[in-house]
Amino acid sequence: QKEVEQDPGPLSVPEGAIVSLNCTYSNSAFQYFMWYRQYSRKGPELLMYTYSSGNKEDGRFTAQVDKSSKYISLFIRDSQPSDSATYLCAMSEGGTGNQFYFGTGTSLTVIP
Amino acid sequence: EADIYQTPRYLVIGTGKKITLECSQTMGHDKMYWYQQDPGMELHLIHYSYGVNSTEKGDLSSESTVSRIRTEHFPLTLESARPSHTSQYLCASSDPGRAVGYTFGSGTRLTVV
Repeated sequence: QKEVEQDPGPLSVPEGAIVSLNCTYSNSAFQYFMWYRQYSRKGPELLMYTYSSGNKEDGRFTAQVDKSSKYISLFIRDSQPSDSATYLCAMSEGGTGNQFYFGTGTSLTVIP
Repeated sequence: EADIYQTPRYLVIGTGKKITLECSQTMGHDKMYWYQQDPGMELHLIHYSYGVNSTEKGDLSSESTVSRIRTEHFPLTLESARPSHTSQYLCASSDPGRAVGYTFGSGTRLTVV
């Protein structure tokens, strides 16, 4: 069983839509939950992270963690064509220096 | 713009050749990593280093080797390239002052023919 499962998509939405991206995981020891954005022909960049359960908001982006269900989500409000990218979730038991486990990524296209 | 640089960006090479993928960072980070990324697959850690003269293998078996002679430089070498080595290789470093997260380079896309 994979540590992290992520729906690969692809996901195509009209501009302005609310996007929901999700990952599930099996390791209950995971405490750090991250979302990376990867544009074509670029490396992933850290979008936001959450420690333990709860929500975190940053502009149009909201990350949610439900540890009881082992389920995390990233919501994008008012999606823009510039949000078109692959979004990868990642998790770890500890912070920097610990091994991160990545999802396979979800490809998102926002159509103008 | 990321301060971690990978060269070359693209490489097509014949079977049996020796290749070195370069990775350099200007941030003074001690911890550096090499990941392999294939389409539709999760990133897999193949090597990591916690500082000069420290190298370890990751969870994905790899025929590559790495060295860390200087803090800023973490090259990856394949002694004899094979078509099975065709992949995207991502180098990353982590900031001890930040709770989580890597800074990734733009990657080297390697094709072995």
